[in-house]
Order: sequence, then structure tokens, then C-alpha cells
Amino acid sequence: NAGVMQNPRHLVRRRGQEARLRCSPMKGHSHVYWYRQLPEEGLKFMVYLQKENIIDESGMPKERFSAEFPKEGPSILRIQQVVRGDSAAYFCASSQRDRGGNEQYFGPGTRLTVT
Amino acid sequence: EDQVTQSPEALRLQEGESSSLNCSYTVSGLRGLFWYRQDPGKGPEFLFTLYSAGEEKEKERLKATLTKKESFLHITAPKPEDSATYLCAVQAAEKLVFGKGTKLTVNP
Repeated sequence: NAGVMQNPRHLVRRRGQEARLRCSPMKGHSHVYWYRQLPEEGLKFMVYLQKENIIDESGMPKERFSAEFPKEGPSILRIQQVVRGDSAAYFCASSQRDRGGNEQYFGPGTRLTVT
Repeated sequence: EDQVTQSPEALRLQEGESSSLNCSYTVSGLRGLFWYRQDPGKGPEFLFTLYSAGEEKEKERLKATLTKKESFLHITAPKPEDSATYLCAVQAAEKLVFGKGTKLTVNP
């Protein structure tokens, strides 16, 4: 399967715990994006990363949220001290950024539930 | 501020009944307009990219068109398997700005 992979698919955390979401981009893609989808809301951009670099984190909450895309391994979205409002579907997308466009291909998402 | 508005929010069609979904946008310097399909519990599936006014793209029963202010997704003779939420997005800098989507239901 050459698609974007995310794990876990479902994650349950109690308030105050940490959540770690993983994303492996499509083969050959070096650009990773994280989006959040709240119930009845559209997809909202969070952060854009290339290998070892955060390019745009304008959509990331200032506290408790961080992201990385190391030289080796998957991209990680980390949420510290989760609160109920963090419950949402988190999607990762990847792209090649060729042809002047930016077709982003999405993974199946991680559904985070905070109890 | 970059913005995408989709209408209608929901649309019910009978199998074979053609219709169109609308996506209105405001963006400083359009670099691309994207259509995705999203099924319940799944990630968005890429359908089309449009780059300039007047451009059209087709895939099976779907056809996407673009003007300077809006895009349409035309669905010809839909089938029940076309039922899904259709998302429109514009590229703003490096990120995509999404509308809330149109939930399409096609009844047999």
C-alpha cells in the first residue's frame, strides 16, 4: 500500500494525558501537513513540515501542541495534557509539490477521544 | 482573509438526477482549487485540481469547472455509490483552506 498511513486509527485518552499521532507519507513525498476536523466543522490546517523542518505552524495552538518530521521515521503530532476540546479527527496529508500545484493526499485519520 | 463557502450544505438526489455543487472562494493569488470526496470515517480522497479560470476536468460522472470567483462540481446521472461529502479547498501559501463540504445523498 503506497498511500499515506496514520496510526493509531482510534485513540482514547483521559484529560491530562499525552497523545501521539503518527503519519508516514506516501512513498516519494517529502512534504507533510496536519489538519484537524471537528464535528460539523471543515478541515483546519495546523502545520506544514518538511524533513527536519517546520515550515508553517500558523494553525497550531500555541500551547500543548507540537509536531516533528525527523530525518528517519514518521511525522509525529504530539498533544500534551489533552482536554475534551481536543477530541477530533486528525488527518495527515503528503505531497510532492511538483508541477506548480500542491495535490495533497490524505491518510485515513486518527480519531482522538478525550474522556 | 482566504475563505471557501460551499452550497448547499446537503443535497438529496434520486439516482440519475443530475445536479451541481457550488464552491465560492476568496483568496489572494489562487494557486489551485481542489475537490475531494470524503466518506464517513475516512480521509478525503483527491478528485481534481483546477488552476485557472475556464479550466475543466472530468472523471466518470463528475466534472469540475472554475471561474474567477467560484467552482462547480457537476454530477451527471449519479448513482448511490456517489453518496459522500464533497469538499472544496483553495491553496493559500502552502496550506489548503477548506469549505465545510456538501453532503450528497443519492437514493436508488
